[in-house]
Amino acid sequence: EAQVTQNPRYLITVTGKKLTVTCSQNMNHEYMSWYRQDPGLGLRQIYYSMNVEVTDKGDVPEGYKVSRKEKRNFPLILESPSPNQTSLYFCASTSWGGAETQYFGPGTRLLVL
Amino acid sequence: SQELEQSPQSLIVQEGKNLTINCTSSKTLYGLYWYKQKYGEGLIFLMMLQKGGEEKSHEKITAKLDEKKQQSSLHITASQPSHAGIYLCGADIGGGATNKLIFGTGTLLAVQP
Repeated sequence: EAQVTQNPRYLITVTGKKLTVTCSQNMNHEYMSWYRQDPGLGLRQIYYSMNVEVTDKGDVPEGYKVSRKEKRNFPLILESPSPNQTSLYFCASTSWGGAETQYFGPGTRLLVL
Repeated sequence: SQELEQSPQSLIVQEGKNLTINCTSSKTLYGLYWYKQKYGEGLIFLMMLQKGGEEKSHEKITAKLDEKKQQSSLHITASQPSHAGIYLCGADIGGGATNKLIFGTGTLLAVQP
């Protein structure tokens, strides 16, 4: 079954404690992205990747890092989380060259105290 | 900076009625995406439009991109309670096929039985 998985689904942490949210897809997609969704601000792109070792900033990259060492994985790293990073995070992967279909992960709810 | 405006912000329709949601950009759209989201859940990709005048359908949902590629509409025919949710449009602002996306603020659709 085609899917994007994210872990953890829920996370409560404290300011400054480094964390990683993992994202994995099983469709051999080239494109992957991270988004955050906040009430009143909508959905905003954090980082995107067009292939292995190719990443670029989206709308709101500050405070986040990503890496794309393998095609299937695209982890989101918060080196020093702050309360303003409390949000609902989504990972997505996209095939290109015809299929034009995006798959989203189920979301990760992060609370930074 | 490019922005996407969606209208209406919310919509309540009786089951069986048709409805249209619009997404307008101040700049040319190189890739226009439509999504559906149940509150607090992941996004479901509906369809993507790239060419001026393009129209795509999936079940009872039809999306069109105007010839100027600055406005898209999503039309639902004979709405059902299963259509309820938040509809989002997204646009590729990287010149097309880059996966650098921005999003509209969403339209909340309620369908009354």
